[in-house]
Amino acid sequence: GAGVSQSPSNKVTEKGKDVELRCDPISGHTALYWYRQRLGQGLEFLIYFQGNSAPDKSGLPSDRFSAERTGESVSTLTIQRTQQEDSAVYLCASSLRQGVSYEQYFGPGTRLTVT
Amino acid sequence: AQTVTQSQPEMSVQEAETVTLSCTYDTSESDYYLFWYKQPPSRQMILVIRQEAYKQQNATENRFSVNFQKAAKSFSLKISDSQLGDAAMYFCAYSSRRGGADGLTFGKGTHLIIQP
Repeated sequence: GAGVSQSPSNKVTEKGKDVELRCDPISGHTALYWYRQRLGQGLEFLIYFQGNSAPDKSGLPSDRFSAERTGESVSTLTIQRTQQEDSAVYLCASSLRQGVSYEQYFGPGTRLTVT
Repeated sequence: AQTVTQSQPEMSVQEAETVTLSCTYDTSESDYYLFWYKQPPSRQMILVIRQEAYKQQNATENRFSVNFQKAAKSFSLKISDSQLGDAAMYFCAYSSRRGGADGLTFGKGTHLIIQP
């Protein structure tokens, strides 16, 4: 079956612009996670959804970041007034259920470059 | 907060040889999971192996095995009979048993080079 997909694959934007990143999880997966990977670094957890609910948003780097999810389907991560330090690869993962015993399947990520 | 440390930014091994990647972590919890992920140039993270902290037996998956030392908070990955396709970034990761709210905590990664 289809894996996790993300769009766009690459995004170049000017400082100060808003961007929207999309994640399509594996069908039937109720949990969805967003991570950020800066150049040469490991992944940094941002937020997770169980269904369309995000119980804890404290991992989002600033109030310029927001995320939403429609039902148990697509999720969007929005970054307002982008800054150069937002340049990174943004990875999405989904799992059948929330909980560490369920494997997270990752998408290929969106590489965001803020000029 | 939990932290994961990978002290080897880069490792190189001859094809068919064995290589060990190091990982240490810090936590005050007693029940948790540890993972090794592989990230090829395609960027897609692939789960290689995972270990449940309450299990004393080291996990193995074909050519991949771990040496889990709970008291030392060490979790190394051994790759036997290295193949060219093993070349990638390898990330060690930690998750509290309750998962979810904290996601996965990753180390900075080790770049594995396979010499033909």
